[in-house]
Amino acid sequence: NAGVTQTPKFRVLKTGQSMTLLCAQDMNHEYMYWYRQDPGMGLRLIHYSVGEGTTAKGEVPDGYNVSRLKKQNFLLGLESAAPSQTSVYFCASSYVVGDLAPQDTQYFGPGTRLTVL
Amino acid sequence: GNSVTQMEGPVTLSEEAFLTINCTYTATGYPSLFWYVQYPGEGLQLLLKATKADDKGSNKGFEATYRKETTSFHLEKGSVQVSDSAVYFCALTRPGAGSYQLTFGKGTKLSVIP
Repeated sequence: NAGVTQTPKFRVLKTGQSMTLLCAQDMNHEYMYWYRQDPGMGLRLIHYSVGEGTTAKGEVPDGYNVSRLKKQNFLLGLESAAPSQTSVYFCASSYVVGDLAPQDTQYFGPGTRLTVL
Repeated sequence: GNSVTQMEGPVTLSEEAFLTINCTYTATGYPSLFWYVQYPGEGLQLLLKATKADDKGSNKGFEATYRKETTSFHLEKGSVQVSDSAVYFCALTRPGAGSYQLTFGKGTKLSVIP
């Protein structure tokens, strides 16, 4: 049971390049999330998914796209990278305990450190 | 909207000292409250949680009590160890259909010296 894994661990891009970050979870969780972590800003939600084939915008979605074609995978894409997207990106997943129950624990991956020059 | 405010760091303590990291929140309804910890070079992991008023979450010697009257969830530990050096994040989520997003504070870096 690997939990939440992220690929790659590190990446350096030039402005304007594109890339895709892959998140995979083997816990059969319904919900998946992408966050970015910047110094002094805590974690901010980029996009999230409440199930296979569905995605929604979070707090800071501009410049990113996501896809959830398979329940276990959640992809984050940068179509034209900008220096402002230099950050550490975390993926997380969680399960749902009924429609109106409080959300339980989110399980985080180890992160991807992205630098855009 | 929802927000979390936690004390600014960094916090430096000697081993066996008492730790308090303050956290206050603003939210509608009855949020669930969490403390997550991030060890150097790793992702976040849940430290403890509380889902209703007056609940006390505890784990690894850390405790936090959900205080609705003061909208607070302060993290405490009676005797810190070097291995507790990490960044601590207070977070909340508001229960309800379609509302499962975590709102995080900015994090407090703790360094424990021998």
